[in-house]
Amino acid sequence: GQQVMQIPQYQHVQEGEDFTTYCNSSTTLSNIQWYKQRPGGHPVFLIQLVKSGEVKKQKRLTFQFGEAKKNSSLHITATQTTDVGTYFCAGQVTGGGNKLTFGTGTQLKVEL
Amino acid sequence: NAGVTQTPKFRILKIGQSMTLQCAQDMNHNYMYWYRQDPGMGLKLIYYSVGAGITDKGEVPNGYNVSRSTTEDFPLRLELAAPSQTSVYFCASSYFTGYEKLFFGSGTQLSVL
Repeated sequence: GQQVMQIPQYQHVQEGEDFTTYCNSSTTLSNIQWYKQRPGGHPVFLIQLVKSGEVKKQKRLTFQFGEAKKNSSLHITATQTTDVGTYFCAGQVTGGGNKLTFGTGTQLKVEL
Repeated sequence: NAGVTQTPKFRILKIGQSMTLQCAQDMNHNYMYWYRQDPGMGLKLIYYSVGAGITDKGEVPNGYNVSRSTTEDFPLRLELAAPSQTSVYFCASSYFTGYEKLFFGSGTQLSVL
């Protein structure tokens, strides 16, 4: 079945450092979504990428979708303590119905 | 709008007991989903529904049942609870499919002892 892996599993950074998480799918995706889950909270939608090679920005966050539509990345510039949480990618396979497959997540901790 | 509401927030079950996790949404969404999240892991799809009266299995359906008699409600039934079902359960909904974001409830933390 479809697998979506994320690396790294954990990342500790000092406030102000940059952070990147990578998402890789075993199959080509029709679209990919990113979610953030704060500690003790529920996943909250951040963004969706649809086009091959697409790049989207939200303030300090930059999202990319690979040319082959099998990988994606989330980059945070100058992390802040409010960025703490787990970031998940979730991909939908072309012709795979209504189901999103979530990645394993990257837990980000930001230290002062 | 309340969004997606899950009850209860916490529950402890003994092995072999049964229970129903409730999920309701007031956004008139067609699609509803049940996920489980184990510590340090991603979310695994248990069951989903594309509309009232229609349900389908996800990745990890064994030990669970669902029903969807109305657009708003999508309860998850655990029969004969087992320790392997200790997890955090999230209900989610979306208006349509594919290119629609998911709205999640606040989750139910379940322990089976």
